[in-house]
Amino acid sequence: DGGITQSPKYLFRKEGQNVTLSCEQNLNHDAMYWYRQDPGQGLRLIYYSQIVNDFQKGDIAEGYSVSREKKESFPLTVTSAQKNPTAFYLCASSIDPLEYSTDTQYFGPGTRLTVL
Amino acid sequence: GQQLNQSPQSMFIQEGEDVSMNCTSSSIFNTWLWYKQDPGEGPVLLIALYKAGELTSNGRLTAQFGITRKDSFLNISASIPSDVGIYFCAGRLGTGTASKLTFGTGTRLQVTL
Repeated sequence: DGGITQSPKYLFRKEGQNVTLSCEQNLNHDAMYWYRQDPGQGLRLIYYSQIVNDFQKGDIAEGYSVSREKKESFPLTVTSAQKNPTAFYLCASSIDPLEYSTDTQYFGPGTRLTVL
Repeated sequence: GQQLNQSPQSMFIQEGEDVSMNCTSSSIFNTWLWYKQDPGEGPVLLIALYKAGELTSNGRLTAQFGITRKDSFLNISASIPSDVGIYFCAGRLGTGTASKLTFGTGTRLQVTL
């Protein structure tokens, strides 16, 4: 089946450690996105990538890093510089961001990160 | 970053009732999307709207793209228990090439029997 997978579902880390969240899609989508969701709030954009080997900062990129070496994969690293990393992280993808009039984003199941 | 104003924040309704929620923005959007999120899961796309004034249905769900391009609403008819969840609107700023979405703060829907 085609879709977006995120692993793991739950992740625990000690304060001060970097952690990498996985996101893979087999939809052949060009664009991929990372969002952060806090309780009772909407989604906030961390980073996005429209094409392989290229990515841009979103609204809350500080303390995060990404890479886009393959079309299918867009891992997110939460670094020790992120002051409040505990949150629900969502990955999304879309077919072709240049065709913005009809392009829509589809989401993975999310990873809940808890920093102790 | 901007977030859309979504109302109501939460609502309790009885099974069988109709539900209406809306989303407003100070900016013009070229696309409106409505998503539903179950607890601990990713949002699932319900309806996508691409033209001002457009009215689109998906089963018991109906959504409209406001004429001013600054608002959208979602109606759910004859609610059932599985409609429980958080509903998010999202708008796309239609300039440039990035497909960036701005999300609402969500409407939490609870359905009682």
